[in-house]
Amino acid sequence: GAGVSQTPSNKVTEKGKYVELRCDPISGHTALYWYRQSLGQGPEFLIYFQGTGAADDSGLPNDRFFAVRPEGSVSTLKIQRTERGDSAVYLCASSLTTSADTDTQYFGPGTRLTVL
Amino acid sequence: DAKTTQPPSMDCAEGRAANLPCNHSTISGNEYVYWYRQIHSQGPQYIIHGLKNNETNEMASLIITEDRKSSTLILPHATLRDTAVYYCIVRVAWGNEKLTFGTGTRLTIIP
Repeated sequence: GAGVSQTPSNKVTEKGKYVELRCDPISGHTALYWYRQSLGQGPEFLIYFQGTGAADDSGLPNDRFFAVRPEGSVSTLKIQRTERGDSAVYLCASSLTTSADTDTQYFGPGTRLTVL
Repeated sequence: DAKTTQPPSMDCAEGRAANLPCNHSTISGNEYVYWYRQIHSQGPQYIIHGLKNNETNEMASLIITEDRKSSTLILPHATLRDTAVYYCIVRVAWGNEKLTFGTGTRLTIIP
């Protein structure tokens, strides 16, 4: 079956611009996660959705970052007034449940964001 | 979540078993050990997880010491496609859904 997909695969923007990154989770997965990965580092948690609501947004670095999941499926990560430090690979993952003994997070290929 | 310590890099000959260690000396009784890997330019891929018993699946085996303070991921017959960064993650069973990645072990399979 189809895995997690993310679009675009690459995004180049200028400092100060607004960007949207899209994630299509695996069909039927109720949980959706966003992570950010800087060069040479492991992925860093940003936000987690259970259904339509953000259950944990403690990883969002500041109020320029916002994410939505209006129908409990597709999610969009929005970054306002982009800065060069926002350049990274943005990863999306989904899981069927959130129980650690059964839950497996499946990751998409990521969106590479470059802010010039 | 408990922190983990992994060697930054390892090499393994193709066809041999790759044994990747992880220390998690502060692990709590309700925390699982998870392993993910990330092949270059791809998203992380789930490998295996366990609580206290050894686990095996089609990809790997996970050996957890009796005191649960360390574990070893074993890839029984490494191939060139196993070259990746391997992350050992400790995760509480409930109430903390996110994965906390460290910097992992960069495993290189040598032909």
